[in-house]
Order: sequence, then structure tokens, then C-alpha cells
Amino acid sequence: NAGVTQTPKFQVLKTGQSMTLQCAQDMNHEYMSWYRQDPGMGLRLIHYSVGAGITDQGEVPNGYNVSRSTTEDFPLRLLSAAPSQTSVYFCASSSSQGSTYEQYFGPGTRLTVT
Amino acid sequence: QQPVQSPQAVILREGEDAVINCSSSKALYSVHWYRQKHGEAPVFLMILLKGGEQKGHEKISASFNEKKQQSSLYLTASQLSYSGTYFCGTEWLGTGTASKLTFGTGTRLQVTL
Repeated sequence: NAGVTQTPKFQVLKTGQSMTLQCAQDMNHEYMSWYRQDPGMGLRLIHYSVGAGITDQGEVPNGYNVSRSTTEDFPLRLLSAAPSQTSVYFCASSSSQGSTYEQYFGPGTRLTVT
Repeated sequence: QQPVQSPQAVILREGEDAVINCSSSKALYSVHWYRQKHGEAPVFLMILLKGGEQKGHEKISASFNEKKQQSSLYLTASQLSYSGTYFCGTEWLGTGTASKLTFGTGTRLQVTL
């Protein structure tokens, strides 16, 4: 099993550009989420999905869109990149949204917006 | 509201013990602990549920104090491999789903020889 994979690993964007961060998992997990990590801020939830076709907002959803057409994939779209979106983005999955299930994190995408 | 972790950073010599605390202003349902090494993804350590027992695995254990709405992570006889940043993730009562974990800002732990 590859676990949770993310592409690209690094990306530089200019202000106003759009792009999609890819996330895939091969563990047949129902629950997937996107976090951003900024220095001194910990991990903040952007969007999450409890199954194909179902998504919801987290703490910091503005400027990001998600969709979940398959169990395996959960892409994150930046509509119009801003310098404030410079961050490390982690995708995570778990077998359930229940409290007893651990989250598996992908390796992260380091995004810089200039 | 993010849970508050303390201390923010700690330096230990190999073999020493450490305690990391995670406090919430809201009533907690569960607390999750993760460790992240520099440049890597967070890795799960353990989950503690409201009303549950203290958890442990090898020399790392944790407790959940419902009265104080606080969890503590205990690292015993620390090893070099314990170095990293430790995050607690909290699920508050009433959120309805553990998927909305709110993480603290982390505690940086460095173990030296």
C-alpha cells in the first residue's frame, strides 16, 4: 500500500494563478481532509469529506475548493492564489470519522505564492 | 479555539523524562496525539476518549483529565528518536464528528546525548 500520496511536493505560484493539489489514498478510507500548516500555528483544517460526493468546510476554507468524486481522490483547488496561502498542505485520511480512528497523513505539498 | 499546549519547547538529555500538556477551554470528547519530525508528515501516537483509560505504548503514555479538560503526554527515559514536534488534536463535545479535530500549536522536543 502506498498509503496517502500527494502531488506535487513543491510548487511556486504567482499571485492570482490557480492550481490543484492532488491527494490520493489506497486504503479505502471514507474520511479525507486537508490541513494547512504555518509556523507557530499548528495544523488547521481547510475542508474535509466523509465519503464520495460529500464535503464540508473546516476552520479556514476561504480561497479553497474541494470535490470528492471517488473514494480514493480528494483534490484541493486554489482559485486565485494569494501570498497568505503560502504554507505546507497536508492531506489525511481515516477509515471513519469516529473518534477511535487515527488519521494517516500524506507527505505534504510545500506551496509558495509570490 | 485551539487547545493550548505547554511547554512550547523542551530540551532533554537522553534518558530524561518529559511531560507535555494540552488544555482546552471547552469540554472535550477526545484527544489525539501526533508526532512530527522535521520535514515529515505527522504520525499518530494515540487517542484518548472521554471516560477512557490512560493509554500507553512502550515509554510513551498519556492521560485525560476530564475535570481539567486537559490531556498530558508522558515520555519516559527519552531516546534520540523522540525528537520532533508533538501536537494534540482535540474534539469538543457537541461537534458530532471526530473529523473536525482542532490541533494545538505544538511542542518542540529535542533530545540530546
